[in-house]
Amino acid sequence: DAKTTQPTSMDCAEGRAANLPCNHSTISGNEYVYWYRQIHSQGPQYIIHGLKNNETNEMASLIITEDRKSSTLILPHATLRDTAVYYCIVRDSNTDKLIFGTGTRLQVFP
Amino acid sequence: SAVISQKPSRDICQRGTSLTIQCQVDSQVTMMFWYRQQPGQSLTLIATANQGSEATYESGFVIDKFPISRPNLTFSTLTVSNMSPEDSSIYLCSVEIYNPDRGSVTEAFFGQGTRLTVV
Repeated sequence: DAKTTQPTSMDCAEGRAANLPCNHSTISGNEYVYWYRQIHSQGPQYIIHGLKNNETNEMASLIITEDRKSSTLILPHATLRDTAVYYCIVRDSNTDKLIFGTGTRLQVFP
Repeated sequence: SAVISQKPSRDICQRGTSLTIQCQVDSQVTMMFWYRQQPGQSLTLIATANQGSEATYESGFVIDKFPISRPNLTFSTLTVSNMSPEDSSIYLCSVEIYNPDRGSVTEAFFGQGTRLTVV
């Protein structure tokens, strides 16, 4: 089973920051948090990952709480092309597999 | 990174028939996986395609229904056998690559998927 819970859907105005939350209260100390997104009719695309420090790349920022039980993906300036389903995934340290949860459907509107 | 090509991209099949989906990667990879995505749902892992040995199936998936081949490190096939309308889904191939530039973790890449409709 997936180790994460996310809101089913969110809206965001174009140009504003999109903050997508994720709960992973059962995460183990050595398990990474990954974020992927799936734009309609495409395969999932890697966004970012982190262990305990905040991370930033050209696509997004990842904020992980100090207790590591939750995290937030931030798209600093959302565009219409960011409309997608966003998956927060904790890689299982026992099986090393990516188990997808239900994800958050982000709708960016003009 | 890795570029994954899946064939066919979509197909409409009669119930009771079988369809073989091909996955070609542009580099040699150790870890290769097959996922299913039912309409409106998230991705579910079907199996790990092992090179040189039998695939490892997840709970709820069996070899007779979803036989997998992995003849080398760049290619795999998934067959959906004796299809029924419940098998209508998107089937995705995925590979994972160790990336020392990304904090020494493995990164997953996905194909565009095969959209299967069974009538």
